[in-house]
Amino acid sequence: GDSVTQMEGPVTLSEEAFLTINCTYTATGYPSLFWYVQYPGEGLQLLLKATKADDKGSNKGFEATYRKETTSFHLEKGSVQVSDSAVYFCALVNNNAGNMLTFGGGTRLMVKP
Amino acid sequence: SQTIHQWPATLVQPVGSPLSLECTVEGTSNPNLYWYRQAAGRGLQLLFYSVGIGQISSEVPQNLSASRPQDRQFILSSKKLLLSDSGFYLCAWRTKGGGQETQYFGPGTRLLVL
Repeated sequence: GDSVTQMEGPVTLSEEAFLTINCTYTATGYPSLFWYVQYPGEGLQLLLKATKADDKGSNKGFEATYRKETTSFHLEKGSVQVSDSAVYFCALVNNNAGNMLTFGGGTRLMVKP
Repeated sequence: SQTIHQWPATLVQPVGSPLSLECTVEGTSNPNLYWYRQAAGRGLQLLFYSVGIGQISSEVPQNLSASRPQDRQFILSSKKLLLSDSGFYLCAWRTKGGGQETQYFGPGTRLLVL
């Protein structure tokens, strides 16, 4: 079945550092890919998405590019802030296989001032 | 505006005890509802979803059950908890016209079974 693998956390960075959180997936066909963010005490929120190969999703300074050749969707941000501290989940929806969200394990990001 | 409530936020229960987690949604009608669980070191796993009152679909066999007694109420239950039921439980909803990625998630319940 489909699966999503994320780098294990926690990832600890200083403010203004460059962020990369790796995400790779296994799925048949052409899934849509997503990043969700969960701030402390809140529910998951959709951060960005990409629905086809080479699409770049972006929001709040975060970016991720759908790379079909490497089955990856790595999350990046050029300069993180303390307010970016949260848990980040990579996910996919595969219309060819049940059409449900499949999540990775989540990566906790801690940004220090 | 729509909101989703889950309670309790944290729960510690002994093995063999019953469980009832409640999720309610406000500001929408006839939503699709979902229960997810995240066990330690694993991804969010879909447990149940419901497209209407009394309609429950189970994604994985397990010790838990779900019920939807009202349009905007989704309950996760167990008659006897196991240690392996420990985890972080998330409820979510979406409108029927939206894609799966448009699910709105509650803040979650952290369950520890001892």
